[in-house]
Amino acid sequence: AQSVTQLGSHVSVSEGALVLLRCNYSSSVPPYLFWYVQYPNQGLQLLLKYTSAATLVKGINGFEAEFKKSETSFHLTKPSAHMSDAAEYFCAVSVGRGGSQGNLIFGKGTKLSVKP
Amino acid sequence: DAGVIQSPRHEVTEMGQEVTLRCKPISGHNSLFWYRQTMMRGLELLIYFNNNVPIDDSGMPEDRFSAKMPNASFSTLKIQPSEPRDSAVYFCASSAPPSPLHFGNGTRLTVT
Repeated sequence: AQSVTQLGSHVSVSEGALVLLRCNYSSSVPPYLFWYVQYPNQGLQLLLKYTSAATLVKGINGFEAEFKKSETSFHLTKPSAHMSDAAEYFCAVSVGRGGSQGNLIFGKGTKLSVKP
Repeated sequence: DAGVIQSPRHEVTEMGQEVTLRCKPISGHNSLFWYRQTMMRGLELLIYFNNNVPIDDSGMPEDRFSAKMPNASFSTLKIQPSEPRDSAVYFCASSAPPSPLHFGNGTRLTVT
């Protein structure tokens, strides 16, 4: 069965600092992995996805994530945090053999705060 | 493209009342998903449809919950009777392989 664990429910960084949000997955089949962002009172928006092509995936707003099979990780990074990055971030894994990118299991989320 | 449209945005009701949440998926998307988000449990998949047919409803918590998709452009999630523990944000999302999920802005349900 597939599952996702996000380490740290709350991360705080200073503006301009590196952002690192951690995600580890468990999957019985080669996974499709996703990062979504949720701003207050809004739905989730896709940041980036890994679908078994390049292991380093670039997304919107300067975020990227690296798929590491040996570590079963898919951590999200951004070199320099901006105030507008403050939001909640969700890692997700697709259910089943990756063909459907809609049936997802989400992590509990990590709330990112950015200090001026 | 208007995105996934959910209504109402907020719903406040009393325990025991029937609640109906509505969703219009993105045109051309053939998969539709209902998720529930709470502080305690995070995001949980309740049910999903493919080509208007329910595929997996194992996440529906109880018989009080039901979902329908009478056509490709409309779905409802009904709770009857509602209970305070149903208070949550309910999201509808749609997709069309190979595209990933697109979420609506959610319905915040409060049951008093």
